[in-house]
Amino acid sequence: GENVEQHPSTLSVQEGDSAVIKCTYSDSASNYFPWYKQELGKRPQLIIDIRSNVGEKKDQRIAVTLNKTAKHFSLHITETQPEDSAVYFCAAGPDYKLSFGAGTTVTVRA
Amino acid sequence: NAGVTQTPKFQVLKTGQSMTLQCAQDMNHNSMYWYRQDPGMGLRLIYYSASEGTTDKGEVPNGYNVSRLNKREFSLRLESAAPSQTSVYFCASSLSILVLTFGAGSRLTVL
Repeated sequence: GENVEQHPSTLSVQEGDSAVIKCTYSDSASNYFPWYKQELGKRPQLIIDIRSNVGEKKDQRIAVTLNKTAKHFSLHITETQPEDSAVYFCAAGPDYKLSFGAGTTVTVRA
Repeated sequence: NAGVTQTPKFQVLKTGQSMTLQCAQDMNHNSMYWYRQDPGMGLRLIYYSASEGTTDKGEVPNGYNVSRLNKREFSLRLESAAPSQTSVYFCASSLSILVLTFGAGSRLTVL
């Protein structure tokens, strides 16, 4: 099955700086790569996703890039704000079986 | 719309007891899922139901059973709870492939 590795496990950034989280996957059949944000005590919520026929996607301050050849994808958050503090999960999968990374705890320092 | 509703929110069991986690969605989604979340391990798929009438094992199905009662409801049953099943359980649903909407989670402790 799919194996998704996510780095780093924790990330502390100064407010206004950028944050980058990287994930690698193993299954070349994976064609869908979402990112979820989970605030403390809350449910995960989809923030951005990308499919295998696209190399990059942007939505305001967040962007995701995908390199299918190298089997890795990344989340970029620019101009970080305190409300960006949360746990971020990447995921990858074909069909119905999404596999999640272990998560990155992002702390934005004021 | 309530979205995805899970019950109960919290439950404490003794080893060997059984229980059922209930999940219902009102978004007319075809697919439903059960995940467990453990510290440092992300979300792991237990079972999923791609459509009404079908269920399939995910990554960690041992010790669990599921029932897709109808299009709205997908329950997860622990027949004989073990301490290793202490976790936060999330139900999710999706209309298009893989775009998941999660419930609020159920925190289960097995003593």
